[in-house]
Amino acid sequence: AQSVAQPEDQVNVAEGNPLTVKCTYSVSGNPYLFWYVQYPNRGLQFLLKYITGDNLVKGSYGFEAEFNKSQTSFHLKKPSALVSDSALYFCAVRGSQGNLIFGKGTKLSVKP
Amino acid sequence: GAGVSQSPRYKVAKRGQDVALRCDPISGHVSLFWYQQALGQGPEFLTYFQNEAQLDKSGLPSDRFFAERPEGSVSTLKIQRTQQEDSAVYLCASIRQGNTEAFFGQGTRLTVV
Repeated sequence: AQSVAQPEDQVNVAEGNPLTVKCTYSVSGNPYLFWYVQYPNRGLQFLLKYITGDNLVKGSYGFEAEFNKSQTSFHLKKPSALVSDSALYFCAVRGSQGNLIFGKGTKLSVKP
Repeated sequence: GAGVSQSPRYKVAKRGQDVALRCDPISGHVSLFWYQQALGQGPEFLTYFQNEAQLDKSGLPSDRFFAERPEGSVSTLKIQRTQQEDSAVYLCASIRQGNTEAFFGQGTRLTVV
């Protein structure tokens, strides 16, 4: 069965520092991987995706993610965090019907 | 419309009451998904439509849950005889044909009291 794991419930970062939100996946075949962000009382917003090609994927709001097949990971990164990046981040893998299978989420807190 | 629209945004139901949640996907999006997000958890897949056909309903937690999309656009998720464990945010998402990126609505927060 396909699944993703987000090992950290919360990540705390100081503004201006680099951030990493971790995600590992388990799939049969080639994975389609996604990152979404959720602000309070808002729906999920697409950040970026990996389908094929370059292992480093660039997305919205300065975020990027690195696909690592040998480590089955797809960590989300940003070189310099902003206070406004504070939100809930979800990693997801595409299921057989095109549905998304989500991790439990990681709360990112960026302090000034 | 510009995005996926869900209504109502908030719903409080007494236990045993029936509820209907509406989703207006982005115009022309063929695929439509419903998810349930419990507090502090990631969204869990409920059901999937391609146009008007419900291709997968394996995620529906019980036969009290029913979804339809009769004309291949607007979808309704109905929950009969609501229970407290049904309290959650219900999210709808749509995908354009040939694409992989899902666009989500703001969700309906259902509270069963």
